[in-house]
Amino acid sequence: SQQGEEDPQALSIQEGENATMNCSYKTSINNLQWYRQNSGRGLVHLILIRSNEREKHSGRLRVTLDTSKKSSSLLITASRAADTASYFCATSTSGTYKYIFGTGTRLKVLA
Amino acid sequence: EAGVVQSPRYKIIEKKQPVAFWCNPISGHNTLYWYLQNLGQGPELLIRYENEEAVDDSQLPKDRFSAERLKGVDSTLKIQPAELGDSAVYLCASSLETAERKETQYFGPGTRLLVL
Repeated sequence: SQQGEEDPQALSIQEGENATMNCSYKTSINNLQWYRQNSGRGLVHLILIRSNEREKHSGRLRVTLDTSKKSSSLLITASRAADTASYFCATSTSGTYKYIFGTGTRLKVLA
Repeated sequence: EAGVVQSPRYKIIEKKQPVAFWCNPISGHNTLYWYLQNLGQGPELLIRYENEEAVDDSQLPKDRFSAERLKGVDSTLKIQPAELGDSAVYLCASSLETAERKETQYFGPGTRLLVL
């Protein structure tokens, strides 16, 4: 079963534009992480946000967390062709150590 | 610092044959995960180890899948016998976790399995 649902499933933008993808989840969480996966590769950790945090930044990445709406968003600013990948959110459920991944957003950045 | 190492990277076998995957986590990481990822989907947890103890194997199909983490470092995931539906990418991840905090999971490159 997959708790997280990313939206949109696929996104195509021009280089230099911003990309926003969203993750919704169902149960209370300890933290939420975003990962990137290039085609045929393993997942690369991007950013972790804890349940008591509302916003985090890392370079061109900005993540927000709204626990009242059980949702998170990942913003990639000034996108580059190298950002083309699938992006997954993973939630760590309160009371467990299990991470549950969403179905991913496939981002394509056109040069 | 070396990342999570997995081998082999690719494996093609015929159905009913056994197969094994190996994972070496990041040095010092006490927690190790095996995930299965089907095409177009997110990873799904198969088993999680804290040191050498399997603390969550509820998603592991125990009739054909087995795993071990001897000495709390390297881990092996085995399928015997393999079925066509087992074709997927098998990902290993590790992290350093305590009772107070969960930390980032670091993933290996995965083993892509094709069962013919």
